[in-house]
Amino acid sequence: RKEVEQDPGPFNVPEGATVAFNCTYSNSASQSFFWYRQDCRKEPKLLMSVYSSGNEDGRFTAQLNRASQYISLLIRDSKLSDSATYLCVVTRGPNTGNQFYFGTGTSLTVIP
Amino acid sequence: ETGVTQSPTHLIKTRGQQVTLRCSSQSGHNTVSWYQQALGQGPQFIFQYYREEENGRGNFPPRFSGLQFPNYSSELNVNALELDDSALYLCASRTDSNTGELFFGEGSRLTVL
Repeated sequence: RKEVEQDPGPFNVPEGATVAFNCTYSNSASQSFFWYRQDCRKEPKLLMSVYSSGNEDGRFTAQLNRASQYISLLIRDSKLSDSATYLCVVTRGPNTGNQFYFGTGTSLTVIP
Repeated sequence: ETGVTQSPTHLIKTRGQQVTLRCSSQSGHNTVSWYQQALGQGPQFIFQYYREEENGRGNFPPRFSGLQFPNYSSELNVNALELDDSALYLCASRTDSNTGELFFGEGSRLTVL
């Protein structure tokens, strides 16, 4: 079973729409959780961390449910510039350092 | 600009050959990890180095090996190349604090014919 599973999409939404992405992880020992963004032919970059209490950064809201091993990302008022692949990431590992595990990514295209 | 540089950016090899990919980490970062990203997939964790020691490995065979040098730069070596090794290889560096930010290089795109 994969460490992290995501619906690959693609999601095609009009500008201004709200879109939600979900992700599940298999290892209950996972320690930290993140969403990364990867533009076409570019390297991944951190979008935001995900906390159990939920957290928001502008139009982006992330949620974590440890009991269900489920992570979500909500994007409100979608912009054309939000078009990218969104990668769900979990970490776990020995005391010397966390190891990062990425999902397959969910592709988003925002349409004018 | 993440401050992480990788070389070469593109290369073509044939089956059975060996390849070495290089990565210079961002200044002050002592942890380097390598990922394989096949087309349409997310980055898959290969291994991680912390202060010149491997401290984690994903599900990759022993023909994938690496090194980290005293200046924290790193190499990924792949022996006996197979067609399925064709992918983008990403290097990422970070500090040893448990924050979530990996700083990626732009990757080395390997094609095996």
